Order: sequence, then structure tokens, then C-alpha cells
Amino acid sequence: DAGVTQSPTHLIKTRGQQVTLRCSPKSGHDTVSWYQQALGQGPQFIFQYYEEEERQRGNFPDRFSGHQFPNYSSELNVNALLLGDSALYLCASSLKSGALNSPLHFGNGTRLTVT
Amino acid sequence: QKEVEQNSGPLSVPEGAIASLNCTYSDRGSQSFFWYRQYSGKSPELIMFIYSNGDKEDGRFTAQLNKASQYVSLLIRDSQPSDSATYLCAVNERGANSKLTFGKGITLSVRP
Repeated sequence: DAGVTQSPTHLIKTRGQQVTLRCSPKSGHDTVSWYQQALGQGPQFIFQYYEEEERQRGNFPDRFSGHQFPNYSSELNVNALLLGDSALYLCASSLKSGALNSPLHFGNGTRLTVT
Repeated sequence: QKEVEQNSGPLSVPEGAIASLNCTYSDRGSQSFFWYRQYSGKSPELIMFIYSNGDKEDGRFTAQLNKASQYVSLLIRDSQPSDSATYLCAVNERGANSKLTFGKGITLSVRP
């Protein structure tokens, strides 16, 4: 049973560039959430996708956008990268948005460094 | 602004001792509560979740929830060096299981 998979594992970009991160949810899961974790901090919610639509969004600017595909996989796009976007980006999947009995399962994350 | 506070660390305990990790939350409407363990450079791993007031035990781990006091804790019995990690407390918003608010985490070190 495959868990949540993310790619790439590491990425180095320059300020102003754009980046796309990818995530495949755990088998049987249909909801994907993205979190940003800066060094020494807890993860912060970016947004959540269910049925190919953005259902909830955290306090992140429009430079952060996403997409969910019919097979439930998801992408996170960040435009006009800033130094402050350097962080570990975590994808988490669960079953059915709003269901209390479906805790999040995290992928191994993508470490993004912006120089 | 919904907040999750974890008491300042790091926490150091000797091997075999009980480690007690505490967490308070501000949103009285929160419905479920999670403890994640995160090893350095790795992603968070779910240890336990609890919905009802009281204790929930799983092996060496016990989660305790007191909604009246807006307090959740994690006890680790017979602590092992392999338990050394950062422990994240997370709370879900009402009606939204996927959107979790995390604390900053507390780093636990178990001394051999």
C-alpha cells in the first residue's frame, strides 16, 4: 500500500523563478492538502483540494496556486519566488474532506531552497 | 487567530522515564486533536489522535484531552533514545478534518 509520495525531494531555485511540486496521495485517499514548514516552526496550511477544486485556503498569497487531477494527485505552484519561500513543503492526504475519522498522512516533503 | 501553544523546550529525560508533552489551544470549537512525531529532516508521522475527553492509550503512548481546559497532552512511558524527536500538537478546525493548525513543536531528547 503506497503512502503519500512527493517529488522532487530537493529543489534549488533563484528569486523570481517559478516552481512546481508534485504529490500522489495514499491509495484510497481523495483529499490532498499542502503545508509549508519553515525551519523550527510547525507546518502551516496552504490549501486543500477535493474533487479537483480548492476547498480551503490558508493565509498565503496568490503566488501559491494548485491543482488536483482526476486521479487525485496534486501540484503546488509557486510564482515569483522569494527568499522567504525557502521551506519544507509537505503534502498530506486523507479520505473525504470533513470526515473526522481520517487523519492526515504526510509525504516525505520537498525541501525548497530559494537563493 | 486560532493558536496552538506547546510549552517551551527542549525537554530532556533519562531513558526509561515518562516524558510529558503539553499543548493548549484557543479555538473552543476544535473537534479533534493530533500528535505527530518528526525526526530531524523528515516529515511528520502520526502517533495518536483523540476526539473525546479523557485518556487514549496506544502502547507506550497516552493522549489526554480536557476540552473544558482546552488542553491536550501526550505521555510517553518507558522513554527510549529512539523517541528523541520533535513532537507536534495539531488541532483541526470545526468541520474541516484536513485543515490542521499546528503548534511549533517541542523537541524531546532521551538520554541513554
